[in-house]
Amino acid sequence: DAGVIQSPRHEVTEMGQEVTLRCKPISGHDYLFWYRQTMMRGLELLIYFNNNVPIDDSGMPEDRFSAKMPNASFSTLKIQPSEPRDSAVYFCASSLAITDTQYFGPGTRLTVL
Amino acid sequence: SQELEQSPQSLIVQEGKNLTINCTSSKTLYGLYWYKQKYGEGLIFLMMLQKGGEEKSHEKITAKLDEKKQQSSLHITASQPSHAGIYLCGADIRVVGDGNNRKLIWGLGTSLAVNP
Repeated sequence: DAGVIQSPRHEVTEMGQEVTLRCKPISGHDYLFWYRQTMMRGLELLIYFNNNVPIDDSGMPEDRFSAKMPNASFSTLKIQPSEPRDSAVYFCASSLAITDTQYFGPGTRLTVL
Repeated sequence: SQELEQSPQSLIVQEGKNLTINCTSSKTLYGLYWYKQKYGEGLIFLMMLQKGGEEKSHEKITAKLDEKKQQSSLHITASQPSHAGIYLCGADIRVVGDGNNRKLIWGLGTSLAVNP
């Protein structure tokens, strides 16, 4: 298996623009997680899905952030409008079960100017 | 304050030396995960511990879970430059009063440099 795939790997955009991050989980994994990593706050869970259904989105910072999982092999994290404080590395991870090992993608490094 | 504290924040050791990284939770642990991250890359899974007193080893890395202390330690024997990176611990905890929902929390990481 190719592992968790994320795109793009790097994104530079201007404040106010819409940003869409994409993730393809490992085939057969029922859980998909979106994380944000910064130097100050470390790794933060934004939202996770079980069988394409959002279960816990309490980590989503505000209404500017939204996530969807239209099918078992694809998820998006959208920021609209983006702000400089959204600059971070965004990771997607997937697992077989909620208590199982999570496998991470390579991340998307987002810079909002 | 962090629910999951890692110490030290950073560490520089000479190649061949042993080292220990600690991860302490303010909540009861139901599972503890160790990951390693290299700059610009994703997190690589190292080990998962679930039972009090459990100890696992992989090559020169050993992790232990002390359930009573709600703490885990990661020990590297005879460190090598390839061990350099950021080590992250993640804890599976239960949020009391919130339907006993499971929650995964993360430490801020320990940055390790190994000088040849």
